[in-house]
Amino acid sequence: QQQVKQSPQSLIVQKGGISIINCAYENTAFDYFPWYQQFPGKGPALLIAIRPDVSEKKEGRFTISFNKSAKQFSLHIMDSQPGDSATYFCAASRGYSTLTFGKGTMLLVSP
Amino acid sequence: GAVVSQHPSWVICKSGTSVKIECRSLDFQATTMFWYRQFPKQSLMLMATSNEGSKATYEQGVEKDKFLINHASLTLSTLTVTSAHPEDSSFYICSARIRGNTGELFFGEGSRLTVL
Repeated sequence: QQQVKQSPQSLIVQKGGISIINCAYENTAFDYFPWYQQFPGKGPALLIAIRPDVSEKKEGRFTISFNKSAKQFSLHIMDSQPGDSATYFCAASRGYSTLTFGKGTMLLVSP
Repeated sequence: GAVVSQHPSWVICKSGTSVKIECRSLDFQATTMFWYRQFPKQSLMLMATSNEGSKATYEQGVEKDKFLINHASLTLSTLTVTSAHPEDSSFYICSARIRGNTGELFFGEGSRLTVL
């Protein structure tokens, strides 16, 4: 049973465009929803995270939208740049437990 | 931000040998560290949860005698791949959470293991 479903599997966006990645979760006890960025051969790095008491969080060009009733959250990358090309993982956790990851989205931003 | 360091970043070994990977939290204490395995173009798979001063908790399907985990202090956890075989070749990543905190996990840079 996959607890966090992520889509799309891959995404191509033109430079300056908006990249949107979606995730849906099943466990209503999850209380922390981060997005990680991973470059080839590197460990994941935290991009932005949200807790269920807010519906949106923005940090620079990155925004998380959170819909508690629908059990969905998404990452929006505004003004996408070639340097944003990476694999993005959504995740969720509860309390002190580890993260449950989505399967990842490979983003390619074309120049 | 908090830093997690992994060493070595890559290692090549012969089949049948054992390899140790270290995971250190450099500027914080971590009661719990997590070890993941990642195959090319796939997500991170949790292997085990490492608790300081106690035995690790392994995920279903992960051989505890094959992947030995030791969490000797609040800043160091080690993963030893024993009697490595080519199918153990993978990218191993550790993560840690600041002691007492929930939520954010800090990840190491990963260790690429290639078994010949």
